[in-house]
Amino acid sequence: KAGVTQTPRYLIKTRGQQVTLSCSPISGHRSVSWYQQTPGQGLQFLFEYFSETQRNKGNFPGRFSGRQFSNSRSEMNVSTLELGDSALYLCASRGTSTDTQYFGPGTRLTVL
Amino acid sequence: AQSVTQLDSHVSVSEGTPVLLRCNYSSSYSPSLFWYVQHPNKGLQLLLKYTSAATLVKGINGFEAEFKKSETSFHLTKPSAHMSDAAEYFCVVSESRSNDYKLSFGAGTTVTVRA
Repeated sequence: KAGVTQTPRYLIKTRGQQVTLSCSPISGHRSVSWYQQTPGQGLQFLFEYFSETQRNKGNFPGRFSGRQFSNSRSEMNVSTLELGDSALYLCASRGTSTDTQYFGPGTRLTVL
Repeated sequence: AQSVTQLDSHVSVSEGTPVLLRCNYSSSYSPSLFWYVQHPNKGLQLLLKYTSAATLVKGINGFEAEFKKSETSFHLTKPSAHMSDAAEYFCVVSESRSNDYKLSFGAGTTVTVRA
């Protein structure tokens, strides 16, 4: 089985712009979670989607949003980018009735 | 509420010597516990998972972890470190209630392996 894939792998944006990141889960996995990883804050949970519905949400401002499609692929959007949004954004998928998450390689976002 | 404390932010070992990464957790429910490894600029790779079937869990690449409920610990060990083990390691606890799985991550332990 192919693993979790994320596109793009690297992204450079300027303040005020918006960005969309994409995640394709492992085949058959219906849950997709997003995390932000920074040197100062570590790994922080953004949100989880299951069958196109947001199930859990972390403590991030409304500029961070996401969605999930019927094929379980998920996108994450960040609007009005700030310098502090520079981070590695990780996506993880899991199967139904299991708590084991499998992570993608991440998207490295740099905001200038 | 659940939480994870990794007791060492950095561990340095010589190649061929044992590695010990310490993790303590707190959980209101019977948790699942994980260790993940992250190499530079990569995602997290699952090393092993504890679910309650056995207190000693064997993972990939020669790693194993022992669950000690009385000490609320889940330490990760490897008998002989290899240069490729240099990475960051995360201890993770999961509580599941009504299909709602919440993960809590430790702050991470960076492992350096000296030749």
